[in-house]
Amino acid sequence: DAGVIQSPRHEVTEMGQEVTLRCKPISGHNSLFWYRQTMMRGLELLIYFNNNVPIDDSGMPEDRFSAKMPNASFSTLKIQPSEPRDSAVYFCASSLVPGRASEAFFGQGTRLTVV
Amino acid sequence: AQSVAQPEDQVNVAEGNPLTVKCTYSVSGNPYLFWYVQYPNRGLQFLLKYITGDNLVKGSYGFEAEFNKSQTSFHLKKPSALVSDSALYFCAVRVAEVGGYNKLIFGAGTRLAVHP
Repeated sequence: DAGVIQSPRHEVTEMGQEVTLRCKPISGHNSLFWYRQTMMRGLELLIYFNNNVPIDDSGMPEDRFSAKMPNASFSTLKIQPSEPRDSAVYFCASSLVPGRASEAFFGQGTRLTVV
Repeated sequence: AQSVAQPEDQVNVAEGNPLTVKCTYSVSGNPYLFWYVQYPNRGLQFLLKYITGDNLVKGSYGFEAEFNKSQTSFHLKKPSALVSDSALYFCAVRVAEVGGYNKLIFGAGTRLAVHP
């Protein structure tokens, strides 16, 4: 299995531009999580989906952030407009079942730099 | 609030010595606890988990963790540290939500530095 695949690995954009991060979960996994990692705030859960449906988006920092999961094999996290404080590493993770016993598998992350 | 805490920002250990990375939790009901490791410029990798049963859980790369219900702790341990164990370690807990769903929340992380 290829694991969780995220693209791009690195993104540098100018303030005000739209940024779209992409994630392909592990085949058969039906829970998907988006996290943001920064030095100051650590690893924050932004949103998670179960069976393509957003369950909890309370971690999404502002309305500039949005996430979609149009099907079981693809999710996007969009920032519009982007700001320098959005610079971080964004991780996508998936797990097999929504049960509490299952571990999540992480992608390599997208390092976003907004200048 | 349900949470997990890692009280140490960094742990320094000499190679060959035992290591412990601490984690405490606060959850309602039975805890489902996990340890992950992150190497530089990489995603998080699952090490081990506690669901139920034996309080000593064995995982990848020779790591183990001890669940202690009375102390609400889940410390990560290894009998003999390697320089290659140097990384960022995260403790996590699955938190149940309304509707039977659950989310995985993480501690702040502990940086382990193993010196030759």
